[in-house]
Amino acid sequence: GAGVSQSPRYKVAKRGQDVALRCDPISGHVSLFWYQQALGQGPEFLTYFQNEAQLDKSGLPSDRFFAERPEGSVSTLKIQRTQQEDSAVYLCASSLDGGAPGSGYTFGSGTRLTVV
Amino acid sequence: DAKTTQPPSMDCAEGRAANLPCNHSTISGNEYVYWYRQIHSQGPQYIIHGLKNNETNEMASLIITEDRKSSTLILPHATLRDTAVYYCIVRPRGSDKLIFGTGTRLQVFP
Repeated sequence: GAGVSQSPRYKVAKRGQDVALRCDPISGHVSLFWYQQALGQGPEFLTYFQNEAQLDKSGLPSDRFFAERPEGSVSTLKIQRTQQEDSAVYLCASSLDGGAPGSGYTFGSGTRLTVV
Repeated sequence: DAKTTQPPSMDCAEGRAANLPCNHSTISGNEYVYWYRQIHSQGPQYIIHGLKNNETNEMASLIITEDRKSSTLILPHATLRDTAVYYCIVRPRGSDKLIFGTGTRLQVFP
């Protein structure tokens, strides 16, 4: 597709439930990023993939958060045993070459997760 | 930590130029200045970036001071659709990630 696609658009989970959020990056984009955005805040970096390799996961808030990109295209962010503080918009972005100066990121519209 | 300081909010009349300031006094020589904006319920959108020269594209102009400690994003003729949160980000060359601050909420009014 022409842009980064995320699904579902909205997700309501009961506390303790596991969730999986999907990101379809732009075809051919090497780099893929996940961000978490709490209400009224800027996006916060979670993790970064270059192809299928997860090069940076320093932003994942706990071991309940896990991300994968097994074939270097689609990525899934999984949150186990969700807590109320996990409620946020989860944004995915891709770029042709993440480190290049002219490489702007293209973001998806995000998945809004609400934990009740 | 974000390396930039921006005013939390600004207003601009439709049709006028919107000038959004950003301070990045600790910027180093290999760090680029990027601007993104986020319209309500959408993901951030790339606007422009620069190193030390002023830059212009179809969306905006970026003016970087000679000492590189601050910059200004200029939207020459703001429209209602430019109402958004604007993020100024410094990013080292070769760095893979963008670190967002809290941005400036620009409200364009009729």
